[in-house]
Amino acid sequence: AQTVTQSQPEMSVQEAETVTLSCTYDTSESDYYLFWYKQPPSRQMILVIRQEAYKQQNATENRFSVNFQKAAKSFSLKISDSQLGDAAMYFCAYRSAGAGNMLTFGGGTRLMVKP
Amino acid sequence: KAGVTQTPRYLIKTRGQQVTLSCSPISGHRSVSWYQQTPGQGLQFLFEYFSETQRNKGNFPGRFSGRQFSNSRSEMNVSTLELGDSALYLCASSLGDGGYNEQFFGPGTRLTVL
Repeated sequence: AQTVTQSQPEMSVQEAETVTLSCTYDTSESDYYLFWYKQPPSRQMILVIRQEAYKQQNATENRFSVNFQKAAKSFSLKISDSQLGDAAMYFCAYRSAGAGNMLTFGGGTRLMVKP
Repeated sequence: KAGVTQTPRYLIKTRGQQVTLSCSPISGHRSVSWYQQTPGQGLQFLFEYFSETQRNKGNFPGRFSGRQFSNSRSEMNVSTLELGDSALYLCASSLGDGGYNEQFFGPGTRLTVL
């Protein structure tokens, strides 16, 4: 079974600064997908960014980028120019290829943004 | 396009009762997944349906069951409720089957068991 670990329960960042959230995972599979989801307080979970394991190039979506290290089984999220609206719970998630849409989530990191 | 909707948004039940939660996916989406979110256990996968067939099932007791209708709407049922079933139940829909497909989450149903 796959496991996903987020070692930082809480993180804090100053507005306009950069912050990196960590995620490691354990799997014996070679083909899979990784995701970062954002869950704002009392609001719906939304996809931030996704990465295919067989693509070496790190995914980027505007101010959000990932550092995907397949050999190390590491998938960190970097948020640049942090904004107050970035404050939320962030979940790292794993999906096996060919296993439907089932996601395995990490425990989450609560990000606080200071004005 | 309307997003994923879940009803009811809040529920209070007592131990031993049963409950049915409903999820309407985004129009055209054929996959519906259910997750349980608690402070202690985090987000745990319950089950996934694709075109009315259960594709995957998480490690939950048989008290938890679900189904999907021909219009892709899904329901999950929990029988003989326990205090530990108190949680936010999230539904997610997806257009396709796995891979790079994005899952869109609903607002959740918050179930409180007294």
